[in-house]
Amino acid sequence: EVQLVESGGGLVQPGGSLKLSCAASGFTFSGSTIHWVRQASGKGLEWVGRIRGKAINYVTAYVPSVKGRFSISRDDSKNTAYLQMNSLKTEDTAVYYCTRHDDYGDQKFDYWGQGILVTVSS
Amino acid sequence: DIQMTQSPSSLSASVGDRVTITCRASQNINNYLNWYQQKPGKAPKLLIYAASSLQSGVPSRFSGSGSGTDFTLTISSLQPEDFATYYCQQSYSTLWTFGQGTKVEIK
Repeated sequence: EVQLVESGGGLVQPGGSLKLSCAASGFTFSGSTIHWVRQASGKGLEWVGRIRGKAINYVTAYVPSVKGRFSISRDDSKNTAYLQMNSLKTEDTAVYYCTRHDDYGDQKFDYWGQGILVTVSS
Repeated sequence: DIQMTQSPSSLSASVGDRVTITCRASQNINNYLNWYQQKPGKAPKLLIYAASSLQSGVPSRFSGSGSGTDFTLTISSLQPEDFATYYCQQSYSTLWTFGQGTKVEIK
């Protein structure tokens, strides 16, 4: 069974930091690109960024609103990806999902985590 | 960035109705277009990928069409479990983007 499980969310003050984890199982993690997508309450989906797999040299990309503040990494030995969030702003408050696409297949988000809430507030 | 614009933003329909949602890209994205369904409190679910390919396990009443900049998601006969929000998403550029969503409500 395929699973993506996010953890590490919670309440943080503006300007603070938080690190989310995404633990994967049931598929070839090293051959997958891991993405982070967020959704503010009552709003639509926003793609945050991604980290490619080993074959594509773990290249990262980010939406402009988080570039320079957020960083995505991965540990293929643990089948886990991470989203390091620094200099957090109130507008970063959202449910964060990890998702993936197969580096050797179609570019589609076929598996998703359940989501984790990040609240940035004083 | 490639902007994705969906229409309508919301619609009301009855069970059995044929429903069509459109998605327009701000530039050519070939067929790198996916559709997702999201219900409240749940993660999105992939319905259609590469503009017109039905994801495994998705009912055949869902279909997608289009290429270039204009795309369509069609539900041939709306079922009670189809009331949800639908998003298009492009995977053509380095930065992937979603449409703003279309909420399908019960008439």
